[in-house]
Amino acid sequence: DSGVTQTPKHLITATGQRVTLRCSPRSGDLSVYWYQQSLDQGLQFLIQYYNGEERAKGNILERFSAQQFPDLHSELNLSSLELGDSALYFCASSVAAGQNPNEQFFGPGTRLTVL
Amino acid sequence: AQTVTQSQPEMSVQEAETVTLSCTYDTSENNYYLFWYKQPPSRQMILVIRQEAYKQQNATENRFSVNFQKAAKSFSLKISDSQLGDTAMYFCALGEGGADGLTFGKGTHLIIQP
Repeated sequence: DSGVTQTPKHLITATGQRVTLRCSPRSGDLSVYWYQQSLDQGLQFLIQYYNGEERAKGNILERFSAQQFPDLHSELNLSSLELGDSALYFCASSVAAGQNPNEQFFGPGTRLTVL
Repeated sequence: AQTVTQSQPEMSVQEAETVTLSCTYDTSENNYYLFWYKQPPSRQMILVIRQEAYKQQNATENRFSVNFQKAAKSFSLKISDSQLGDTAMYFCALGEGGADGLTFGKGTHLIIQP
């Protein structure tokens, strides 16, 4: 158990819908990262938040957005869902951006299925 | 842009054997970190081992060790005395000093045969 929690574990929805994935980082971790794992794209970094502020962006679509709240939990919002958005979405956390050893701890993931 | 390449999509060895998984990477940064993550059938991402680029000594964690060749930009993982529980996808990942998101390779599916 990494100490990172994600809800829900599974999510099934239809095309065009909007969903919210939730992540709680390890106690004391300030950084939260979101990743997408799909069969064709592999594991891709989406976005990072550090202490409530957006820190870095990866291959995140404009239909996707995220935020980190004062209690440091984070939410990833996916809208206008397409079949290709079906994937495993991971949240990871780390102590602080820029501090060694840049080690990230992953949550169990949310499996999103778009029908 | 940084890249990570794992050239072995799948490997299979007998229990108790030693196996080496390959990884090459490319980055323009001097300050970076390399990781091997394990993803068993449960899909959980588990950190196996990490290496700081500024350290010349290869990292070891019990049965897991790395061969870090900085000039060649190579970072291989050696698993000694392999066990059935080592069966999993193994991902090589690169993290740069700015602590942005990790860049992952496509993974190697390692199968340990009894």
